[in-house]
Amino acid sequence: DAGVIQSPRHEVTEMGQEVTLRCKPISGHNSLFWYRQTMMRGLELLIYFNNNVPIDDSGMPEDRFSAKMPNASFSTLKIQPSEPRDSAVYFCASSPTGREQYFGPGTRLTVT
Amino acid sequence: KQEVTQIPAALSVPEGENLVLNCSFTDSAIYNLQWFRQDPGKGLTSLLLIQSSQREQTSGRLNASLDKSSGRSTLYIAASQPGDSATYLCAVDNNDMRFGAGTRLTVKP
Repeated sequence: DAGVIQSPRHEVTEMGQEVTLRCKPISGHNSLFWYRQTMMRGLELLIYFNNNVPIDDSGMPEDRFSAKMPNASFSTLKIQPSEPRDSAVYFCASSPTGREQYFGPGTRLTVT
Repeated sequence: KQEVTQIPAALSVPEGENLVLNCSFTDSAIYNLQWFRQDPGKGLTSLLLIQSSQREQTSGRLNASLDKSSGRSTLYIAASQPGDSATYLCAVDNNDMRFGAGTRLTVKP
């Protein structure tokens, strides 16, 4: 298995632009998580899905952030419009049980 | 709200030493606790998962213990190697994963 796949690995964009991050979970895993990691706040859970349904989005910082999971093999995290303070590493993780999690390599986002 | 604390924030040891990393949490009503390793610029790799009903888990040179009642977990690394150098994070799950800030470990040859 290739593990959790995230794209792009690096994204540099200008303030105000729309950013879309993509994640392909491990096949057969029914839970998917989006995290953000910054030096100041560490690793924070943004949202998680179970069987493609958003269960808890209380960690999503603002309405500028949205996440979708149209099917079991794909999820997106979108930021529109992006701001410099959104610069961070965004991780996607999947789980077969909702508990033990397997992380992707992350997307490093820089908003200038 | 669950708070997770890891001590020390950084640790530097000579190769071959046994070492212990600490993780404490404020809410003992957890489903499990997971230890991760993160290499610079990389994602997180799961090392050990301890269910709430378990006391410890072992994998190779790693041993993780869990004391739910006192809100503590330790990660023991035996015979450390330079390749163990990384940041180690613990995460507790009580319906919401909470991560500690991590311990940055450097093992010097």
